[in-house]
Amino acid sequence: DTGVSQDPRHKITKRGQNVTFRCDPISEHNRLYWYRQTLGQGPEFLTYFQNEAQLEKSRLLSDRFSAERPKGSFSTLEIQRTEQGDSAMYLCASSYLGGFTDTQYFGPGTRLTVL
Amino acid sequence: SQQGEEDPQALSIQEGENATMNCSYKTSINNLQWYRQNSGRGLVHLILIRSNEREKHSGRLRVTLDTSKKSSSLLITASRAADTASYFCAWLGSGNTGKLIFGQGTTLQVKP
Repeated sequence: DTGVSQDPRHKITKRGQNVTFRCDPISEHNRLYWYRQTLGQGPEFLTYFQNEAQLEKSRLLSDRFSAERPKGSFSTLEIQRTEQGDSAMYLCASSYLGGFTDTQYFGPGTRLTVL
Repeated sequence: SQQGEEDPQALSIQEGENATMNCSYKTSINNLQWYRQNSGRGLVHLILIRSNEREKHSGRLRVTLDTSKKSSSLLITASRAADTASYFCAWLGSGNTGKLIFGQGTTLQVKP
């Protein structure tokens, strides 16, 4: 399978715990994006990387959220001291800047439930 | 909010009928894309239309774009039960940004 993969697919945690999600983009893609989606809403942008550099961050990304993309390959999104309001689907996408289209290809998502 | 609007929020049709969804956005755009999402899953890219294009076709999908009205529509012809899903428009702002802004989605139910 050469699509975007995310791990884990589901995560249940208690309030106050830290969680980390991983995203593996399509191998030749140099851009990687994180979005958050709550029930009944469209995805909202969190942040994106071009290679290793984090180029843009949303105001939604509070100090408790941190994302990394070491070596410009996979990315991790960590949420510290989780709150019930963090419960959502976290989506990762990748694209190739400089290609024929700007299409972002999405992974299956990680569904986070904070109890 | 930068999110646009999609209309209708929900649509229920019989198999074989056409389904039309509309999207309005608020800013100038580079391109506009449509995605499908089956319940609780990731998004599948359907079609992209650039700001200098007015209409685009892909199989049973037809997308139009009117930049003067800041609106787009997605038409699914001869719908099938498998088309049941939520449909989102999303746009890339002008300039060198990677940020996609999504509409709130239209939930389509196609009854067999």
